[in-house]
Amino acid sequence: GENVEQHPSTLSVQEGDSAVIKCTYSDSASNYFPWYKQELGKRPQLIIDIRSNVGEKKDQRIAVTLNKTAKHFSLHITETQPEDSAVYFCAATLIFGNMLTFGGGTRLMVKP
Amino acid sequence: EAQVTQNPRYLITVTGKKLTVTCSQNMNHEYMSWYRQDPGLGLRQIYYSMNVEVTDKGDVPEGYKVSRKEKRNFPLILESPSPNQTSLYFCASSLSSSGYEQYFGPGTRLTVT
Repeated sequence: GENVEQHPSTLSVQEGDSAVIKCTYSDSASNYFPWYKQELGKRPQLIIDIRSNVGEKKDQRIAVTLNKTAKHFSLHITETQPEDSAVYFCAATLIFGNMLTFGGGTRLMVKP
Repeated sequence: EAQVTQNPRYLITVTGKKLTVTCSQNMNHEYMSWYRQDPGLGLRQIYYSMNVEVTDKGDVPEGYKVSRKEKRNFPLILESPSPNQTSLYFCASSLSSSGYEQYFGPGTRLTVT
């Protein structure tokens, strides 16, 4: 089955700096890679996703890049704000698949 | 309002006492799934269902059962809970497969003593 590894497990940045979280996956057939944000005490919510037919996707201050050859993808957050503080999870699956495999999560702390 | 609901939100129980966590969605989603969340392990899939009467094991199914008799409901059953099942549980639903946005319920924090 699929295995997703996520690094780092914790990340502390100053407000205004950029943050990068990296994930690797094992199954070359995976073609859908979502990122979820979980604020303290809340449920995970999708913030951005990418399909394997594109290499990069942006939405305002967040972007995701995908390297299919190397089987890794990354989340980039620019101009970080205190409200970006949360746990971020990457995941991998097939678009028409049945199993969603998550990474272990990254706790991002943005210091004002 | 489109949503996924879970009950109860918090539960403390004892080893061996059967319990059920309910999950319901009002978005007419075909795909539903249960995850458990443990520190450092992320979200791990317990069971999923592609449609009514179609269920299958995820990565960590031992000690759990599910059923999908109606499209909107997907209960998680622990027939003989053990302390290693102490965790935060999330139900989720999506349009038709794991390759679509998962809408998560609010979570159920279970403690088994």
